[in-house]
Amino acid sequence: DGGITQSPKYLFRKEGQNVTLSCEQNLNHDAMYWYRQDPGQGLRLIYYSQIVNDFQKGDIAEGYSVSREKKESFPLTVTSAQKNPTAFYLCASSIRPGIGAYEQYFGPGTRLTVT
Amino acid sequence: GENVEQHPSTLSVQEGDSAVIKCTYSDSASNYFPWYKQELGKRPQLIIDIRSNVGEKKDQRIAVTLNKTAKHFSLHITETQPEDSAVYFCAARAGNTPLVFGKGTRLSVIA
Repeated sequence: DGGITQSPKYLFRKEGQNVTLSCEQNLNHDAMYWYRQDPGQGLRLIYYSQIVNDFQKGDIAEGYSVSREKKESFPLTVTSAQKNPTAFYLCASSIRPGIGAYEQYFGPGTRLTVT
Repeated sequence: GENVEQHPSTLSVQEGDSAVIKCTYSDSASNYFPWYKQELGKRPQLIIDIRSNVGEKKDQRIAVTLNKTAKHFSLHITETQPEDSAVYFCAARAGNTPLVFGKGTRLSVIA
């Protein structure tokens, strides 16, 4: 998990502004994921990507967008369409799925506050 | 799709006692069941996992059991210590689909 970085650790934005959260990994993992964490809600999947230039919506994709142009990078944009964007955002990665059970590791997270 | 239920949501134990957290899953195709520990403000850390071809796995004070017939799995922590206080998440996955997480259990170990 030490090979996954997220920046910044804390992010403050005004309502109505788009904001992009960074996620980079040097573990040579094929799959990357974005989760949102709210108190008492556990970890909810926003988007995931199993291969470069391809990604799928998770359970709560509305108001978010992603890109996967490089294997190492999976940035998340929180758009102004997201009704309640204040949350703790966690990025994760794992080796290529479908080849057996695999461990998933998390980055340190970005705490986003929108006022 | 998969649905994972986790109980209890909060758990308080005396130091030295055992703690048990239980999860159920809905998709009989699920074959991988990890447990994560998350300390306040930190990332979730994988502490133990179990594959569907194994019924029990142990690592020092931590053990996980899996009952495929009943579709439930449990985390057991023995001889609890104050540093075990954290939020614990179970998860399940079928094939190459993403992990589905339970809502977490806040464990407090009282010294």
